[in-house]
Amino acid sequence: EDQVTQSPEALRLQEGESSSLNCSYTVSGLRGLFWYRQDPGKGPEFLFTLYSAGEEKEKERLKATLTKKESFLHITAPKPEDSATYLCAVHSHTGGFKTIFGAGTRLFVKA
Amino acid sequence: DAGITQSPRYKITETGRQVTLMCHQTWSHSYMFWYRQDLGHGLRLIYYSAAADITDKGEVPDGYVVSRSKTENFPLTLESATRSQTSVYFCASSEGLYNEQFFGPGTRLTVL
Repeated sequence: EDQVTQSPEALRLQEGESSSLNCSYTVSGLRGLFWYRQDPGKGPEFLFTLYSAGEEKEKERLKATLTKKESFLHITAPKPEDSATYLCAVHSHTGGFKTIFGAGTRLFVKA
Repeated sequence: DAGITQSPRYKITETGRQVTLMCHQTWSHSYMFWYRQDLGHGLRLIYYSAAADITDKGEVPDGYVVSRSKTENFPLTLESATRSQTSVYFCASSEGLYNEQFFGPGTRLTVL
C-alpha cells in the first residue's frame, strides 16, 4: 500500500539549533517528492521538488534531500519565523495518478 | 493580483443541504485539484481536472461533484452535506500533473 510517514509529529527547537525532519515513503512509480510549508489558517506553500535519489535542493536555511526510501528536510540555524507545519507529499502514477500527503511535522522555534 | 482564491472562506450548513465551494485561479494552469484536510490525516485528494470538461476522481470522491466549464474555475459541490464532510477544503493548481501545486487559502466548512 502506498504510504507517506512523517516524523517527528512535533519538534521544538531553540533558535539556532539545527535539526532534520523525516519523510519516509512507500510508493511505486514515484513521480516526485514535494515539501510544503503550512502556516496556521493558510494553504500549503511550495518549498521543494525532488525527483530522483541523490538529488538535493537548498533555499535559505532549508535543504531537502532524497533517497529511495526517504527524504529529509534539514533546517540550519532556525529562526522563530521558521515555525510552521512542514508537509511532505509524493506523486505516483501506478494505477493512475496519485498524490499522497504525510500528516506533517509541526515545528516550533523558540527565540 | 495573480493567484488562486477560494470562496467562501467559512461556511456553516446543515445536514442534507447542497453546498458549493468556489475556486478561481489566474495563472492559466491546466490542472486544478480539490483536497480536504482533517486532523490526523494528511491532505486527501477529492477530485482533479486536467482541463475544461476533463475531471477525474481522487482518493475520496464520494459525496462530491465537480465541474470545470472554464479553465480558471473549478467549483466543488456537496450535493447533500453530511457531518463527516466537516473539514477544511483546499483548492490547488499546477502547470503539469506532476509539478508542484499552488494552494488557495482554504474554506472551513462545518456541517451541523
